Amino acid sequence: GIQVEQSPPDLILQEGANSTLRCNFSDSVNNLQWFHQNPWGQLINLFYIPSGTKQNGRLSATTVATERYSLLYISSSQTTDSGVYFCAVEGMNTNAGKSTFGDGTTLTVKP
Amino acid sequence: EPEVTQTPSHQVTQMGQEVILRCVPISNHLYFYWYRQILGQKVEFLVSFYNNEISEKSEIFDDQFSVERPDGSNFTLKIRSTKLEDSAMYFCASRATGQPQHFGDGTRLSIL
Repeated sequence: GIQVEQSPPDLILQEGANSTLRCNFSDSVNNLQWFHQNPWGQLINLFYIPSGTKQNGRLSATTVATERYSLLYISSSQTTDSGVYFCAVEGMNTNAGKSTFGDGTTLTVKP
Repeated sequence: EPEVTQTPSHQVTQMGQEVILRCVPISNHLYFYWYRQILGQKVEFLVSFYNNEISEKSEIFDDQFSVERPDGSNFTLKIRSTKLEDSAMYFCASRATGQPQHFGDGTRLSIL
């Protein structure tokens, strides 16, 4: 099946810094989503972005489908941005539209 | 905005007991999923369900597990004879054709 790799696995920032999280995938995709898992375990959908660029406040994401990667940018980071960020993809050759998740990036923003 | 709702939020069960996790997908969605996340690990696919039958299941989804859509609104995951290693967060998701998946808030299952 499709492989999803996220980097870096861990990231520590000072409040106010910018960061870039990366998601590489091994095959063509129908869908790609970025999630933030909060301290209560909820998966908060950030972006649905199978291709192109989207922005939502301090967050933006870019997916280059032909090169099989996606980037999540966090600008002016805040302590509330801390948590685990997951990339999840639906491979084009996937049966039933299931999502395959990466291992996640654990972000810690220090005050 | 419509949401996927899951109940209970936390379930504590003795090892060997049966447990049923419940989900109410978004009403016009046709595809339904269960995922599992063991503490500190990534989210793993368990099973997908479409047109009243399982469309795909992972190797995790063995005979201990079953899914059902009993009444056209609920979507349940049953785990028979629970084991300690079944302790995890279980997420339900649903989607419409060609659209992204919407995830519920999860049920944290603790097996004692």
